[in-house]
Amino acid sequence: QSVLTQPPSASGTPGQRVSISCSGSTSNIGSNTVNWYQQLPGTAPKLLMFANNQRPSGVPDRFSGSKSGTSASLAISGLQSEDEADYYCAAWDDSLHGYVFGAGTKVTVL
Amino acid sequence: QVHLVQSGAEVKKPGASVRVSCEASGNTLATYYVHWVRQAPGQGLEWMGSINPSGSSSRSAQRFQGRVAMTRDTSRRTVYMELSSLRSEDTAVYYCARERVEYSSSFILDTWGQGTLVTVSS
Repeated sequence: QSVLTQPPSASGTPGQRVSISCSGSTSNIGSNTVNWYQQLPGTAPKLLMFANNQRPSGVPDRFSGSKSGTSASLAISGLQSEDEADYYCAAWDDSLHGYVFGAGTKVTVL
Repeated sequence: QVHLVQSGAEVKKPGASVRVSCEASGNTLATYYVHWVRQAPGQGLEWMGSINPSGSSSRSAQRFQGRVAMTRDTSRRTVYMELSSLRSEDTAVYYCARERVEYSSSFILDTWGQGTLVTVSS
């Protein structure tokens, strides 16, 4: 059971907007920033978003992040086939004294 | 572009230990925190711990405390993770990952190794 709760799956057709939620608590998302990682099939994770809503260089602006209270979300607008991947949210947890990941959301492009 | 190169796949028996290495091109690990994250087959990501740039301090997730050791050889630009008392549930791909900013422990992991599969089987 992950400390951060994500939906197991999300899907959309090309061009649509998909949103992934990440629900936590006051000890993690509520008091620390959230990062998002994208993992394409068979590859290592890649940093997709950091500090809630900052995109690393090279990440398309189709990806956006937000945080409110103890929840965060990642949105993908203009969904493309290459966006098919697993997406993980992560944050430091003050109670567990550890970095915690959500269980991941598999995004499928229909 | 920094690349982290990890050691090859390992097969271990229950109760044994495994050591995985992580090396970067150039002197691009010496001033960064390095983290270890694992992923069991078909499962999600799990943070194991991290080590500071000098190698003088490390911290680990509660469930691995006493069983994981992280060290670094700055002269060789290599970081190591050793996991002891292996059990079948430790079968996973183990990743090293570097922080985004030098001397920062912000948990923004922007460079990842290719992963090392560790299989624990009798």
